[in-house]
Amino acid sequence: NAGVTQTPKFQVLKTGQSMTLQCAQDMNHEYMSWYRQDPGMGLRLIHYSVGAGITDQGEVPNGYNVSRSTTEDFPLRLLSAAPSQTSVYFCASSSLTGKGGELFFGEGSRLTVL
Amino acid sequence: SQQGEEDPQALSIQEGENATMNCSYKTSINNLQWYRQNSGRGLVHLILIRSNEREKHSGRLRVTLDTSKKSSSLLITASRAADTASYFCATDWYNDMRFGAGTRLTVKP
Repeated sequence: NAGVTQTPKFQVLKTGQSMTLQCAQDMNHEYMSWYRQDPGMGLRLIHYSVGAGITDQGEVPNGYNVSRSTTEDFPLRLLSAAPSQTSVYFCASSSLTGKGGELFFGEGSRLTVL
Repeated sequence: SQQGEEDPQALSIQEGENATMNCSYKTSINNLQWYRQNSGRGLVHLILIRSNEREKHSGRLRVTLDTSKKSSSLLITASRAADTASYFCATDWYNDMRFGAGTRLTVKP
């Protein structure tokens, strides 16, 4: 059972480059989300989705785009990378919405922007 | 800004002792959850307590919730070296889940 799969695990970008972090889950979860984790800051919510075609902004959405065309996939796009986006990114999914439920996390994608 | 704030930021204890971590939050919640993160890994769910619950147990874990004080605590009893990790509380309000900065727990053998 794969759970939540993130790719790539590591990425180095130059300022201004674009890239997409991929996230896929095989648990048929309606809810998916992206977080970034910086040292001493815990996790901060970037964007989330409660189902295909539905996305919403979290705490720190600027500089990031998302889409949800299928239940399984929730890619995170950086259109013009900045050094401030150097971080570890986590994708998570959950089977419950509204009242909330246990989040299942991927192993993270470490992004460095030079 | 982040919703939850854990206290203490770091905790070091001997194996066999109990570890208590606290979480305070600012706004309304549907539930509060605790997660564990081993270094460099993804977070793993430990326990969920709903806003109408006051206490919950799971194995060596005990969680309390006081919505009037907007606070929660996580107690790990009879700690083991393998419990060494960072622990995060997360508040959920209609799909918007916010995490605190975490408590770094070190259990010395």
